[in-house]
Amino acid sequence: GQNIDQPTEMTATEGAIVQINCTYQTSGFNGLFWYQQHAGEAPTFLSYNVLDGLEEKGRFSSFLSRSKGYSYLLLKELQMKDSASYLCAVRGRGSTLGRLYFGRGTQLTVWP
Amino acid sequence: DGGITQSPKYLFRKEGQNVTLSCEQNLNHDAMYWYRQDPGQGLRLIYYSQIVNDFQKGDIAEGYSVSREKKESFPLTVTSAQKNPTAFYLCASSSRDQAHNEQFFGPGTRLTVL
Repeated sequence: GQNIDQPTEMTATEGAIVQINCTYQTSGFNGLFWYQQHAGEAPTFLSYNVLDGLEEKGRFSSFLSRSKGYSYLLLKELQMKDSASYLCAVRGRGSTLGRLYFGRGTQLTVWP
Repeated sequence: DGGITQSPKYLFRKEGQNVTLSCEQNLNHDAMYWYRQDPGQGLRLIYYSQIVNDFQKGDIAEGYSVSREKKESFPLTVTSAQKNPTAFYLCASSSRDQAHNEQFFGPGTRLTVL
């Protein structure tokens, strides 16, 4: 089966750095995605990793270790607007248009 | 403007009635997906389609049906057989032309069955 695990909730203060972890066990691996979702809205794409290492995009970075089945999303210089749910998703082996397996999401609250 | 539209934003139905949720995209994407999201839960896949006139069941297809007669459209019908249909429904699409083939999501439809 497929198992994507991430913490349910995290809190941090404005200006700080937070790391959201995701571990996965899937029957195949063809990329890992991070999405941001504000309450009542659609998820929006943040980052993609398919090879081991760190991908940096502005204040957000994402890391992948395929041998450990592990990824993290790093958010720097936190702002109030970063309060949202962060979803980790893994694409299984096969077509790049195939399905994603989502974790339950990590609800991040940023305090002033 | 290119994008994915879902209508309506909020939908109310009586128990025992079938209801069809609309999903349209003008992004020329080949693949389309339907997810269900419940409070505190991640996204669960209902159905997906990688090409016109073809679709596959996801993890929670029971009580739902879909069609993919046109590339732009992937309507989802919630039938009376779905035991707990009240949820937030999200439609998404993707294309091999995107750098990472990431999925783009519509704004969602919140269905409440009374």
